[in-house]
Amino acid sequence: GAVVSQHPSWVICKSGTSVKIECRSLDFQATTMFWYRQFPKQSLMLMATSNEGSKATYEQGVEKDKFLINHASLTLSTLTVTSAHPEDSSFYICSATKGGLAGYNEQFFGPGTRLTVL
Amino acid sequence: AQKITQTQPGMFVQEKEAVTLDCTYDTSDPSYGLFWYKQPSSGEMIFLIYQGSYDQQNATEGRYSLNFQKARKSANLVISASQLGDSAMYFCAMKKHNTDKLIFGTGTRLQVFP
Repeated sequence: GAVVSQHPSWVICKSGTSVKIECRSLDFQATTMFWYRQFPKQSLMLMATSNEGSKATYEQGVEKDKFLINHASLTLSTLTVTSAHPEDSSFYICSATKGGLAGYNEQFFGPGTRLTVL
Repeated sequence: AQKITQTQPGMFVQEKEAVTLDCTYDTSDPSYGLFWYKQPSSGEMIFLIYQGSYDQQNATEGRYSLNFQKARKSANLVISASQLGDSAMYFCAMKKHNTDKLIFGTGTRLQVFP
């Protein structure tokens, strides 16, 4: 199989603090990882694409200094929400692909992290 | 610009009946992929089925089938013999050629009742 984990599964923090979310591919090497954000009862919105060893590519409207992404290895990407505010409260989901652009590369999703900023 | 449209915010179906969840898409790319995902209340995204734009036959995976009508740009998901465990949000998504990025629709909440 292809398992992706996220840690923590939920986090509550005070406004102004930073929160780090980890995304790991447990049984495969992920050349590319994606970070999504999902507000309640809404769809997934792609925030950024993360490739190992290079800077993340952010989608339009996503503040790269606010949402720091580090893809340290082929099995780990981290998303840090800096100086979190209540409006950053959301469900953050990562996904990973095994590689290659040709054909169909399934995205394997993590279980998500629910962030609540007080 | 690419876009996925799911016009049904919610659907109800009785157990053991079939249900169709609608999805239309807009793209100018000749090559693309279409996906359906299930998201139960726990939040994880579960891959259901995939259809490539050049696939000649409609995709099927167990009780799931995709009614792909390329000329109409629609990729409806058909769930046969609905089960109570099918109650969840269902998202249609599209992948551009030469990229792994997914664009998601707004989702349809399916409720299966006994």
